Amino acid sequence: TQLLEQSPQFLSIQEGENLTVYCNSSSVFSSLQWYRQEPGEGPVLLVTVVTGGEVKKLKRLTFQFGDARKDSSLHITAAQPGDTGLYLCGAGTYKYIFGTGTRLKVLA
Amino acid sequence: NAGVTQTPKFQVLKTGQSMTLQCAQDMNHEYMSWYRQDPGMGLRLIHYSVGAGITDQGEVPNGYNVSRSTTEDFPLRLLSAAPSQTSVYFCASSIGTGLEQYFGPGTRLTVT
Repeated sequence: TQLLEQSPQFLSIQEGENLTVYCNSSSVFSSLQWYRQEPGEGPVLLVTVVTGGEVKKLKRLTFQFGDARKDSSLHITAAQPGDTGLYLCGAGTYKYIFGTGTRLKVLA
Repeated sequence: NAGVTQTPKFQVLKTGQSMTLQCAQDMNHEYMSWYRQDPGMGLRLIHYSVGAGITDQGEVPNGYNVSRSTTEDFPLRLLSAAPSQTSVYFCASSIGTGLEQYFGPGTRLTVT
């Protein structure tokens, strides 16, 4: 059974701080996605990483795919209140699964 | 382009009742799936389909049925609702397996 473990589960930080969220698995994935979900809505895609070691940037968000394609990280620089939400990693082939999520709260 | 649509948005059922949650997409996506999300938890896969006429079980399939007669529609049926099925249900679609998922707005279901 494939599993995606995310850490930390909860994160409450002040505006302007940096943070990193991790997504780990014992399985190898051909690609991995990160999503953000806001209350009352479905998850929305942020990025797809495909190549081992790949780094992608989306404004203040930096995503990295591990060399062995088993893990990934999301780094946010200078967090803002608008970054508040649930961050999910997702991957799989026929059975597409999600990590347990990291609930981020950025305080003004 | 409406994307992925789900109906109803909210539903209250009594234990033992049955109902169908509707899901449709207009992006010609082959892959569709149903997830449930419980408070403080991530998304758990109920059933998925890789194309019309093909469905398979996910992580938590018990108590749910699906069918895929067309590319566009993927309804989820609750056979005999139980309080443990109280949850938020999301339908998603993707152009193929292992690729980015596009989600509907969700159905909030309460079983009393």
